[in-house]
Amino acid sequence: AQKITQTQPGMFVQEKEAVTLDCTYDTSDQSYGLFWYKQPSSGEMIFLIYQGSYDEQNATEGRYSLNFQKARKSANLVISASQLGDSAMYFCAMRPNNDMRFGAGTRLTVKP
Amino acid sequence: EAGVAQSPRYKIIEKRQSVAFWCNPISGHATLYWYQQILGQGPKLLIQFQNNGVVDDSQLPKDRFSAERLKGVDSTLKIQPAKLEDSAVYLCASSLDYGTGRTGELFFGEGSRLTVL
Repeated sequence: AQKITQTQPGMFVQEKEAVTLDCTYDTSDQSYGLFWYKQPSSGEMIFLIYQGSYDEQNATEGRYSLNFQKARKSANLVISASQLGDSAMYFCAMRPNNDMRFGAGTRLTVKP
Repeated sequence: EAGVAQSPRYKIIEKRQSVAFWCNPISGHATLYWYQQILGQGPKLLIQFQNNGVVDDSQLPKDRFSAERLKGVDSTLKIQPAKLEDSAVYLCASSLDYGTGRTGELFFGEGSRLTVL
């Protein structure tokens, strides 16, 4: 069964600095999608970025980029120029076939 | 474009009572999901529908949980009887399809927070 691991329960970053949130996954499927979601304290899940397993280039969406290392089965999220509004839970998710499974999440706190 | 609608937002019940949650997905989204998110954890998939058929319900505690999606549009998740450990946020999500591409992106509702006393 597929498994998504986020080893950092909590992370701190200074405002305007960059931060990397780790995500590793385990699947035997060759075709899969990787997603990152943000969940602020208000509770809604906000899509951030997508990476397909066959995409040769790392995905970027504004201040978000995904460091995709297929051989190592890692899909780390990089947030550049952190803002106070980036403080939230961040979830890595994978869709290898039908369903979407999530990791346990990383709580990011941005310090002023 | 209207987002995923869920109700109620909050529900408090006693153990052994029943509760039902409703979800209306984004128009045109064929795939609908119910997730359970316990405080401090990631969302756990309970059931996934494609139109009005069940794709995956392997993690649904079928002795107490049931879900249906009539006519392939809105859906209801029921818990009967509730246990203390069912206290969680129940998230409904929808997607265009369930492929591995970008169209598999999930759009979430605001969630229904259940407290079982």
